[in-house]
Amino acid sequence: GESVGLHLPTLSVQEGDNSIINCAYSNSASDYFIWYKQESGKGPQFIIDIRSNMDKRQGQRVTVLLNKTVKHLSLQIAATQPGDSAVYFCAENISGNQFYFGTGTSLTVIP
Amino acid sequence: GAGVSQSPSNKVTEKGKDVELRCDPISGHTALYWYRQSLGQGLEFLIYFQGNSAPDKSGLPSDRFSAERTGGSVSTLTIQRTQQEDSAVYLCASSLAALRYEQYFGPGTRLTVT
Repeated sequence: GESVGLHLPTLSVQEGDNSIINCAYSNSASDYFIWYKQESGKGPQFIIDIRSNMDKRQGQRVTVLLNKTVKHLSLQIAATQPGDSAVYFCAENISGNQFYFGTGTSLTVIP
Repeated sequence: GAGVSQSPSNKVTEKGKDVELRCDPISGHTALYWYRQSLGQGLEFLIYFQGNSAPDKSGLPSDRFSAERTGGSVSTLTIQRTQQEDSAVYLCASSLAALRYEQYFGPGTRLTVT
């Protein structure tokens, strides 16, 4: 089966610093990716998505980078705030109805 | 507006009992997903409904699991003869159309099988 993995299970950053959360995927046919944020006790919340015909997409304080050569996805959060503390998941869709989710990276922002 | 809601928020059941978990998607969303999230794990796809099409059940882990969606809206996930390994958070998500659209997740139902 497909796999989506994260390089680091936990990440701590100082408030105001930039955060980078990484994700590796294994299937070169994956053509759509999503980043989700999940706060404790809540369901995942969509942050940003990117299609494989792009290598960068920006949102509000977030940027997703896609490197298809090495099958790597990253989420950059600018000026990290305490409210950004959560678990971040990447998910890939190859085809059909299934999204494959990574195990998540826990981001802790230190005030 | 109202988001995706799920009930109950917590469910404790004895091994061998049947449970029903409910999902109310966002009005007008034609696609509905069920996922399972075990402690410290990512989301495991279970089943997908799109409009009146036959559901994609390929993620259901065993025949003890079933789901239905009535009238293209509310969905119920049923687990028969629950086992301890069924303990997890069950998440429902809906989206405006099939695939490639933002999925809006409910808060989940935490199922504990004792």
